[in-house]
Amino acid sequence: AQSVTQPDIHITVSEGASLELRCNYSYGATPYLFWYVQSPGQGLQLLLKYFSGDTLVQGIKGFEAEFKRSQSSFNLRKPSVHWSDAAEYFCAVGGNSGGSNYKLTFGKGTLLTVNP
Amino acid sequence: GAVVSQHPSWVICKSGTSVKIECRSLDFQATTMFWYRQFPKQSLMLMATSNEGSKATYEQGVEKDKFLINHASLTLSTLTVTSAHPEDSSFYICSAISLGIQYFGAGTRLSVL
Repeated sequence: AQSVTQPDIHITVSEGASLELRCNYSYGATPYLFWYVQSPGQGLQLLLKYFSGDTLVQGIKGFEAEFKRSQSSFNLRKPSVHWSDAAEYFCAVGGNSGGSNYKLTFGKGTLLTVNP
Repeated sequence: GAVVSQHPSWVICKSGTSVKIECRSLDFQATTMFWYRQFPKQSLMLMATSNEGSKATYEQGVEKDKFLINHASLTLSTLTVTSAHPEDSSFYICSAISLGIQYFGAGTRLSVL
């Protein structure tokens, strides 16, 4: 069974500081990995994805993530956080093996607070 | 990127009535859409997979007679909450698949009085 662990429920950083959100996954085949962001009362916006190839992927809003197969991790990073980055961040794993039809399993999310 | 529209964004209804939520893919066709439920400060819980032209596949524990899903076209899936009760109050989000990526609607907040 597939699963995603986001160890940090809540992270607080100062504006301008660097950020790393952790994500570990369990998946039986080659994983498709995603990071989504959700603002209060809104749907989810895709930040970035990893399907294959270069293990360092760039996303929108200056975010990047690195796929490390040996550690089953897909951590999200940003060198300098802006106040507008405050939101809930979800890591997700999925794929199309066994006819799963790209069904996603989400982590519990990490709430990011940005201090001025 | 692909755009998914969800309507309404907020609905209040009386207990015992039914509510329909629409999910549309605006600039692409989606043979597969998903319906999620999200409780406050929690992650998304997959309710069902909606397949165009066939019956939806429900996750374990989700009542298919209460949450009716219809995917009648390649751009529209609907979720009907039948005989809604206060415990059905929640945030419902849909997504549609394009090139292996799920794109999400903005969600519907359902409040059952």
